[in-house]
Amino acid sequence: GAVVSQHPSWVICKSGTSVKIECRSLDFQATTMFWYRQFPKQSLMLMATSNEGSKATYEQGVEKDKFLINHASLTLSTLTVTSAHPEDSSFYICSASLVGAMNTEAFFGQGTRLTVV
Amino acid sequence: AQSVTQLDSHVSVSEGTPVLLRCNYSSSYSPSLFWYVQHPNKGLQLLLKYTSAATLVKGINGFEAEFKKSETSFHLTKPSAHMSDAAEYFCVVRGYQKVTFGTGTKLQVIP
Repeated sequence: GAVVSQHPSWVICKSGTSVKIECRSLDFQATTMFWYRQFPKQSLMLMATSNEGSKATYEQGVEKDKFLINHASLTLSTLTVTSAHPEDSSFYICSASLVGAMNTEAFFGQGTRLTVV
Repeated sequence: AQSVTQLDSHVSVSEGTPVLLRCNYSSSYSPSLFWYVQHPNKGLQLLLKYTSAATLVKGINGFEAEFKKSETSFHLTKPSAHMSDAAEYFCVVRGYQKVTFGTGTKLQVIP
């Protein structure tokens, strides 16, 4: 199947700094990418839907100024956690879908474990 | 509106016995439905998907699921559990431009 590469797989940062997470579709074009957050022992929570060339659509309760999403091309979306705090520590996962048909599966990156100290 | 309900947060079975993980959904559109598995500290892996073709869908590792429109269900089954099946399973519905995850079912397999 198609491959989505997420980088880095883990990161530790100091409180107050910003962290950028990249999500790349390696062998297909993705009009839409999704960003999820997973708290320990919980399901994935959709944070935002990222469409290439336009502003991301954020889910209710997600601060768009804190979680900056950029989808500059059909193969790359980035999530930047700005002024990170310990409560932002979590597992972040991106997914991408093939351009076109709605019924295609979403391919997931391997996730990024963020620890803010 | 679109939602997914996984009816059991934990399921425990003995090795070699059948597995049933339940999922109900609601969607304004004709949805696509998926089951993903997540092993500890690993990413998500697609088990199987329903995309309006055959209602009985076969996936990897012996899993299958049946789409029942009248019951709005998409339960995941396996005839005989293996120790390696112990993981968390997510039912996912995809409508127009939106993907919704269920809360997950943790499957425990007892030797």
